[in-house]
Amino acid sequence: NSKVIQTPRYLVKGQGQKAKMRCIPEKGHPVVFWYQQNKNNEFKFLINFQNQEVLQQIDMTEKRFSAECPSNSPCSLEIQSSEAGDSALYLCASRGDFSGNTLYFGEGSRLIVV
Amino acid sequence: GDSVTQTEGLVTLTEGLPVMLNCTYQSTYSPFLFWYVQHLNEAPKLLLKSFTDNKRPEHQGFHATLHKSSSSFHLQKSSAQLSDSALYYCASITGNTGKLIFGLGTTLQVQP
Repeated sequence: NSKVIQTPRYLVKGQGQKAKMRCIPEKGHPVVFWYQQNKNNEFKFLINFQNQEVLQQIDMTEKRFSAECPSNSPCSLEIQSSEAGDSALYLCASRGDFSGNTLYFGEGSRLIVV
Repeated sequence: GDSVTQTEGLVTLTEGLPVMLNCTYQSTYSPFLFWYVQHLNEAPKLLLKSFTDNKRPEHQGFHATLHKSSSSFHLQKSSAQLSDSALYYCASITGNTGKLIFGLGTTLQVQP
């Protein structure tokens, strides 16, 4: 069973609505990633954090997505104004400090935008 | 830029036959390579990871060898099982941010 916990497993939103997903990384893992897995099962990197600091993010994430990993609280990814093309599985993953450490994934939050 | 290529989108074979899923990579730095497996409605799980000392990783009958000369990390198994049917992703870690770059994935369907 995955030790990275994501909630909710499913969410349905109308276009223009906010959509928020949460992730509790595996205990002791300071590095957290968010990926989008689309209907073709392709992985798109969105953003990653080391502790509370953003390491990298793509342009899309800067504009319509907001994400944070506050200390002592779950990480979150929020889409400010959902679009049909945002329908996907959003995967959170965490790892230890070393960049060669294995990335462990949660089961994802499936967003459907109607 | 750095990339991972999986040439087959779908591989269908009969139970008991050998499996080989291709993976090649382009990387600026000396990379770590991974194989992840994702069953339907489940999280991607690590199957194999390359070692820095050229050992051949093995797990659940699967193995893969990192060949730097050909930039490859093909996944192999001597005898496919029905339970091996899943999506398989090759991935590499690039640079010092540790961002995992995924291939497009290969669906393995094992038939009786």
